Amino acid sequence: DAGITQSPRYKITETGRQVTLMCHQTWSHSYMFWYRQDLGHGLRLIYYSAAADITDKGEVPDGYVVSRSKTENFPLTLESATRSQTSVYFCASDRGGYGYTFGSGTRLTVV
Amino acid sequence: KQEVTQIPAALSVPEGENLVLNCSFTDSAIYNLQWFRQDPGKGLTSLLLIQSSQREQTSGRLNASLDKSSGRSTLYIAASQPGDSATYLCAVMYSGGGADGLTFGKGTHLIIQP
Repeated sequence: DAGITQSPRYKITETGRQVTLMCHQTWSHSYMFWYRQDLGHGLRLIYYSAAADITDKGEVPDGYVVSRSKTENFPLTLESATRSQTSVYFCASDRGGYGYTFGSGTRLTVV
Repeated sequence: KQEVTQIPAALSVPEGENLVLNCSFTDSAIYNLQWFRQDPGKGLTSLLLIQSSQREQTSGRLNASLDKSSGRSTLYIAASQPGDSATYLCAVMYSGGGADGLTFGKGTHLIIQP
């Protein structure tokens, strides 16, 4: 099922530029999350949201900003991209008693 | 800090073998535990979810067990096939619920030799 849709699938950007990664859910799950996945570190939580207009920091929030004006959308913005933010980014939602579901990811390269 | 550890980090076995992947967690106050599969360059696919009140869950050739008291979970794969080759991730939700998200292990990279 489509569930969580992330865009773009791939992105190359330059150091210092602002870039926004999009996440859309087809359901109305309250909790949504952004993770990054890096070799040697695994998956780490960047930000989460408990509902529209409610967001909070995770383990590695520095350099990132999120918003959630609508329940179904949860964009992640890198305000001034750095090479250390080169990573694969995953958006997820909590389906309550059915666990988490993840999007297909965005592979971001900062040059 | 809560930690999730997966052993082994990598495993290569001939097709047809039964195998066990291990996951351990430091804090037994878990809400649930979820096993995922990740193929190269792809997202995470949920395999099994075990609630803290459950001992095991089964789906086809997969069986996941949970022992909260010892802080362990195992994923058993029966009659392995080359298509099972992937990275398997264990993730724990602690009793903080949604606000804490999932805490992931670093995964077991599994190769099934034809």
